[in-house]
Amino acid sequence: EIVLTQSPGTLSLSPGERATLSCRASQSVSSSYLAWYQQKPGQAPRLLIYGASSRATGIPDRFSGSGSGTDFTLTISRLEPEDFAVYYCQQYDSSPVTFGPGTKVDIK
Amino acid sequence: EVQLLESGGGLVQPGGSLRLSCAASGFSISTYGMTWVRQAPGKGLEWVSGISSGSHSTHYADSVKGRFTISRDNSRNMLYVQMNSLRAEDTAVYYCARVFSSSWPRGYGMDVWGQGTTVTVSS
Repeated sequence: EIVLTQSPGTLSLSPGERATLSCRASQSVSSSYLAWYQQKPGQAPRLLIYGASSRATGIPDRFSGSGSGTDFTLTISRLEPEDFAVYYCQQYDSSPVTFGPGTKVDIK
Repeated sequence: EVQLLESGGGLVQPGGSLRLSCAASGFSISTYGMTWVRQAPGKGLEWVSGISSGSHSTHYADSVKGRFTISRDNSRNMLYVQMNSLRAEDTAVYYCARVFSSSWPRGYGMDVWGQGTTVTVSS
């Protein structure tokens, strides 16, 4: 099973700042099969990025994904108030599909 | 509008059973794989089970294998999971989600999610 590790656990930033979230895999993941989700309190997760770098429908271009192999990054170029949430990476390259533990982005 | 709506959650005693349902609207599930993901209180996301568009293939996390059974009724646009021999550690919000394709595992990115239904296993 591929274990995903996300860092940092919590990221405290101000609106307008840049957020850089890391997802590291215990084994190589094909970049075609790495996704990022956003979850706000009391809400379902929402797909942001798939294939490591493709934005899902309706996702603003301030969200971008990059990386390959075992190291992947989600970047939010300028944080908006609605971006403060928990972010999960997920690999769907290898069985079973697995999620990282999440990074919480909160307001500094 | 594309939507998923889960139902069937509730309080159940350890060892008991529960059947969750997921009603799809705005699209036909017959052309999509579907999946269940759960989230224990205050915890992260855990994939539970998945099923191909035509029910030919099913997949389970080790933690639920032999206890949970996923199924679907494409004519009713419904997804189900039958949960037996429930344990305290099955307590979670259960989400149904649409996956990119039925291909396992490489189709199992999840692009549409329901709002979840809560299952509590306690005496």
